[in-house]
Amino acid sequence: EPEVTQTPSHQVTQMGQEVILRCVPISNHLYFYWYRQILGQKVEFLVSFYNNEISEKSEIFDDQFSVERPDGSNFTLKIRSTKLEDSAMYFCASRPRTSGGGSSYNEQFFGPGTRLTVL
Amino acid sequence: AQSVAQPEDQVNVAEGNPLTVKCTYSVSGNPYLFWYVQYPNRGLQFLLKYITGDNLVKGSYGFEAEFNKSQTSFHLKKPSALVSDSALYFCAVRAPYGNNRLAFGKGNQVVVIP
Repeated sequence: EPEVTQTPSHQVTQMGQEVILRCVPISNHLYFYWYRQILGQKVEFLVSFYNNEISEKSEIFDDQFSVERPDGSNFTLKIRSTKLEDSAMYFCASRPRTSGGGSSYNEQFFGPGTRLTVL
Repeated sequence: AQSVAQPEDQVNVAEGNPLTVKCTYSVSGNPYLFWYVQYPNRGLQFLLKYITGDNLVKGSYGFEAEFNKSQTSFHLKKPSALVSDSALYFCAVRAPYGNNRLAFGKGNQVVVIP
């Protein structure tokens, strides 16, 4: 069964450094997402991406964050200058498009996450 | 904005007993509701969803959930819990229009005691 994959599984970085989190969505999916979960807190939506552009972003997704789909398979989240409070588990997700409508009914498929630790 | 509440931090149940994980939601309009499960070092795995139709939906691994519009609830149930059901369970909601972000609850740790 196809899965969403994410690399690395754990990233440790110094405050102020740039990090890139990588995701490979399921191959025929067209909608892509990033979520994060700070330890002990809820899973929070960051951004959604469709047709090579951001379709929605949350208030968390400020100018320090960016997303990119550099080729046909990868979907990346970049944090330009990491802060201590960026430490969290980051989940990538993808969702298929259903021909003939009804895409919005489809569930999102999640990757295993990247644990980001900012020191 | 949509939101989900999962009132219990941990649910303990003996193997073979019924399992219930509670979820209430808040959203404008008819909700799309989802349950996901997370095992250690794994991603969130989809269990089941309610979009429309029958209030009782059946999903993977013998789980089911009942949508109750008047109580704005979507409790997850399993008639007979297994030790392998021990995991973290997340309820999520999204609005049927506009954005397609999921709003998650904080998750419930389920511990099935042999």
